[in-house]
Amino acid sequence: SQTIHQWPATLVQPVGSPLSLECTVEGTSNPNLYWYRQAAGRGLQLLFYSVGIGQISSEVPQNLSASRPQDRQFILSSKKLLLSDSGFYLCAWTLMGYGYTFGSGTRLTVV
Amino acid sequence: AQSVTQLGSHVSVSEGALVLLRCNYSSSVPPYLFWYVQYPNQGLQLLLKYTTGATLVKGINGFEAEFKKSETSFHLTKPSAHMSDAAEYFCAVSGGRNNNDMRFGAGTRLTVKP
Repeated sequence: SQTIHQWPATLVQPVGSPLSLECTVEGTSNPNLYWYRQAAGRGLQLLFYSVGIGQISSEVPQNLSASRPQDRQFILSSKKLLLSDSGFYLCAWTLMGYGYTFGSGTRLTVV
Repeated sequence: AQSVTQLGSHVSVSEGALVLLRCNYSSSVPPYLFWYVQYPNQGLQLLLKYTTGATLVKGINGFEAEFKKSETSFHLTKPSAHMSDAAEYFCAVSGGRNNNDMRFGAGTRLTVKP
C-alpha cells in the first residue's frame, strides 16, 4: 500500500535561518507531489507541485523553493526564513484522477 | 480554472443532529469533487469523492455528498452528528483527471455540542 512520510512534525526556527522539510512517498511510482501551507485559521495555499523528477511548478512567489531529486522525494527549502513563513506545511501526492493523500504535516514556528 | 466556495466558516450542531456543510464550485470542465477532513495538527484525510457516475456518493464515517450540476453544489451531509465529527472540513475541485489544478475551499470548522 502507498504511504507518505513527512518530517519533522514540529520545528522552531529563528528568523534568517535555513529550512529543509522532506517528504517521501512509498508504494507508488511517478506520483504528482505537492507542498501546501496552511496559516492559522486559513485554508490551504498551494506552494509547489511536481509532475516528475526535477520538474517544479511554483504557485506563489516567495522565499521558499522546492526540489524533487528522486521520483518519490519532495523537499521544501528556504535560505532565510521570515516570520511570515510560520504555518502548517503539508505534503501530498496523487495519481491522475484520484484524490490527494496528505502527509501528517509539519508545524513550523519562526521566532 | 476551478474554484470552490464553502458557505460558513463555522458550523455548530448538537450531537445527534443533521450535519450539513455547504460547498459550491465553479469549473470550466466536468469537475472532480472531493471532501476532506482535518483533525487538529494532522494532515487531511479523504472523506469521499465524485468523479463520474452516481451523483450521490458515500464516504467514510457515515458522510455522504450529492453532486448537483444544475446548482453547482456538492454539499456534505451526515444524518446524525457524533462528538468525534468535530473537525475542519475542506471541499475541493479539480478539472477532471488532470488534478494539478485542484483548488480547496477555505474550510468549515464543525463543532458538535453534547
